[in-house]
Amino acid sequence: EVQLVESGGGWVQPGRSLRLSCVGSGFTFDDYAMHWVRQAPGKGLEWVSGISWNSNRIGYADSVKGRFTISRDNAKNSLYLQMNSLGGEDTAFYYCAKGDLLVTGPFDMWGQGTMVTVSS
Amino acid sequence: DIQMTQSPSTLSASVGDRVTITCRASQSISSWLAWYQQRPGKAPKLLIFKASSLQSGVPSRFTGSGSGTEFTLTITSLQPDDFATYYCQQYTHYASFGQGTKVEIK
Repeated sequence: EVQLVESGGGWVQPGRSLRLSCVGSGFTFDDYAMHWVRQAPGKGLEWVSGISWNSNRIGYADSVKGRFTISRDNAKNSLYLQMNSLGGEDTAFYYCAKGDLLVTGPFDMWGQGTMVTVSS
Repeated sequence: DIQMTQSPSTLSASVGDRVTITCRASQSISSWLAWYQQRPGKAPKLLIFKASSLQSGVPSRFTGSGSGTEFTLTITSLQPDDFATYYCQQYTHYASFGQGTKVEIK
């Protein structure tokens, strides 16, 4: 089955860190760029970060630049998001999404998401 | 950064209606635009890419048009499954989304 499965979400205190993971299956993972998109409760979609198939090109939204780090391990069909210095504004559902070969491209597959709650 | 602006924010319509959603980019994005549908509690689903190309498996009542800075998504003959929130996305420079348009039952 072709799917993306996220994990690693949960409750964390402000200023702490969390690492999200996403495992892809049913497709050739290292042929595609991958992305993280988040959605705060009741709000719209916000692109967070993207990484090309070979990790040569990486981009971040201004809102997370310097705090979040995206990475991938193609041998494990896995995508990661290391989130540091978390604040309440980072509370959201985090989705991983499959892109195109390059880091630009539409997102034609999405995981079901993992919730991150930042609160004291 | 490229800003995407959708209108309207909410749209009330009935089954069978034709509805149009507009998306404007803050600078030219050629045809590098996608449309997504998101139902409550679900992940977004790709409907249209490259402004007017229909994603495999998406009903033909969904059509996209436009280029440069102005784009539209049209749903002809709205069906019960189509009541959802729709987002446009530019992907010429990484990605950014519009704020969404909720299509609700009149």
